[in-house]
Amino acid sequence: KAGVTQTPRYLIKTRGQQVTLSCSPISGHRSVSWYQQTPGQGLQFLFEYFSETQRNKGNFPGRFSGRQFSNSRSEMNVSTLELGDSALYLCASGLRSAGIQGGELFFGEGSRLTVL
Amino acid sequence: AQSVTQLDSHVSVSEGTPVLLRCNYSSSYSPSLFWYVQHPNKGLQLLLKYTSAATLVKGINGFEAEFKKSETSFHLTKPSAHMSDAAEYFCVVSAKAGTALIFGKGTTLSVSS
Repeated sequence: KAGVTQTPRYLIKTRGQQVTLSCSPISGHRSVSWYQQTPGQGLQFLFEYFSETQRNKGNFPGRFSGRQFSNSRSEMNVSTLELGDSALYLCASGLRSAGIQGGELFFGEGSRLTVL
Repeated sequence: AQSVTQLDSHVSVSEGTPVLLRCNYSSSYSPSLFWYVQHPNKGLQLLLKYTSAATLVKGINGFEAEFKKSETSFHLTKPSAHMSDAAEYFCVVSAKAGTALIFGKGTTLSVSS
């Protein structure tokens, strides 16, 4: 059974550009969550989608957005990139919506974004 | 409110000695608790989970954790460390449907030969 696949794995952008990251969840999983990981802030929750609906959103500016398609694949977009957006962006999928008891997440290897 | 505190940011052990990574949680609900491990430049891998069944939970690679409600703790242990255990470990609480999982700040485990 294939795991969570994130593309691209590495990318470099410049300030002001925008970026789209993609996540394909494990087959049958309907929940996709996105996290930003940085050395200083650790793992911060961005948002969660379940069956194409945003279920929860973290405390990030509106430049960060996402969506989920009918096949459960998800994309996140960051517009007007800032230096501070440099991070590892992790996607995780689950059978149930995150927060439901027992609903563990399965993580991809991440997309490492560097903003110059 | 829910929160999780990993009491040590860095733990160093010698190969073959026991590992103890400490985690305390706070939750208004009956929580699910998880430990994840992250090796360098990799995603997070689930080590084990507690979901209100047995309080002693066994996970992969010889790790186990004990849920102690009276102490609000969920410490991770392993009897004998291997070099391959060197990684970052995250304690996670899932308290209520519709809320995000809450991650601890992480504990970096170093294993020396």
